[in-house]
Formats: sequence, C-alpha cells, structure tokens
Amino acid sequence: SSELTQDPAVSVALGQTVTITCQGDSLRSFYAHWYQQKPGQAPVLVIYGQNNRPSGIPDRFSGSSSGSTASLTITATQAEDEADYYCNSRGTSGHHLLFGGGTKLTVL
Amino acid sequence: EVQLVESGGGLIQPGGSLRLSCAASGFDVSNKYISWVRQAPGKGLEWVSVIYSAGSTDYADSVRGRFTISRDSSKNTLYLQMDSLRVEDTAVYYCARGPDYGLWGQGTLVTVSS
Repeated sequence: SSELTQDPAVSVALGQTVTITCQGDSLRSFYAHWYQQKPGQAPVLVIYGQNNRPSGIPDRFSGSSSGSTASLTITATQAEDEADYYCNSRGTSGHHLLFGGGTKLTVL
Repeated sequence: EVQLVESGGGLIQPGGSLRLSCAASGFDVSNKYISWVRQAPGKGLEWVSVIYSAGSTDYADSVRGRFTISRDSSKNTLYLQMDSLRVEDTAVYYCARGPDYGLWGQGTLVTVSS
C-alpha cells in the first residue's frame, strides 16, 4: 500500500494524554514525522525521526513506532494543542513522500 | 534568518498556466532537497513534487506531465511551472525543505476556476 492512514478526529480532556496514530506499510522502512497545523497557518514539525523534537516544541510531545504504526503522544494536553495533526514518511513503490489524511484534535 | 517565501499564486482559468516561486534565505537550495506540497480547501496535505540536491526530480501521479519543478541557484529560488491546470489543482501551495520538512513557507493560493 502507498497510503498512510490516520483517524479523522480525536478528542481529549484538558490536561489528559492523547495518542494519535498513523498506519502504513512504508512505516516498516521509514520513520514518520509529525506536523501540527492550525487554521490558516503552515504546518509545523513537532516530531521527526525516531523521537526527536525541533527546538521550541514542548516536551509533552513525543513519538514512537512499532511495525507499520507510528504514534504521536501528547501528555498534559493544553488548549493550544487543538489543531490538525499530520504524519508523513518517505514512500515506497516510487512515491517520494506520503502524508496521512490528518487527525483533527479537539481539546475538551 | 532561515526561511522560504512562496509567490506567484492567483486566479487562473482551467487549461491555463502559472509559475510559482519559492525564494530561500539562510541556506543554499542546491544543498537540500525541497518539495512542493499542496492543500486543497478544507482538505489534507498532498505531496506534489521534489527536486533533489543533485537536480533529479519526481512528481505525484496527479501532476506528472503537467507540472515541472526547477531551481535557479543564482537566485536561490525554486519554481513550480504548472500547465494544463484543472479545477482540482485549486489549493494552497507550500514549498518545504527536506529531509524532515521542518521548514515551510507561508503558502500561496492557486485558484483554478472559470
């Protein structure tokens, strides 16, 4: 398969932990990266590689991977974390880059 | 400051052509691979095209044969020539720097409509 699959929507109570998943065959070969996108803004990288955070990203964001599934976990979720989250990875079968369909995170 | 700035978007009729630009600062575009990624209104992110540091290119099936990516190292600028535009090409077009795509421009809106 040349796709990455994400749940369309997830909700979490303020201060709780939430995990967003991304599934695809390419994840058996390549790491997933994770992006946060707020309305009207460009995506922002929050996790890259095995579990790395760019400068300025809070340590409540973390990543993990197992087999064909990658996960983004947000602990002690804040109101400002409400956004769309996308995974991507290098593709197989001639596709340079794949994106998941995105997960809309609602903070209750 | 390290940044990417897109320009060139606008309203174009189906079948028309448009060239987008992505001006880089703070790094050399020839040393990185850079992609164009688009986002249709209310939809997710879709990879469009990439140009590698060696100059080779690749395209999504949806645009192959219609779009051409290139760069001008003297201007430190990337381009996306879009021909035979379709209504479904309407989107915000971003340029982004690989390999982790941690640097994105602000995007430029392309609207294909009659």
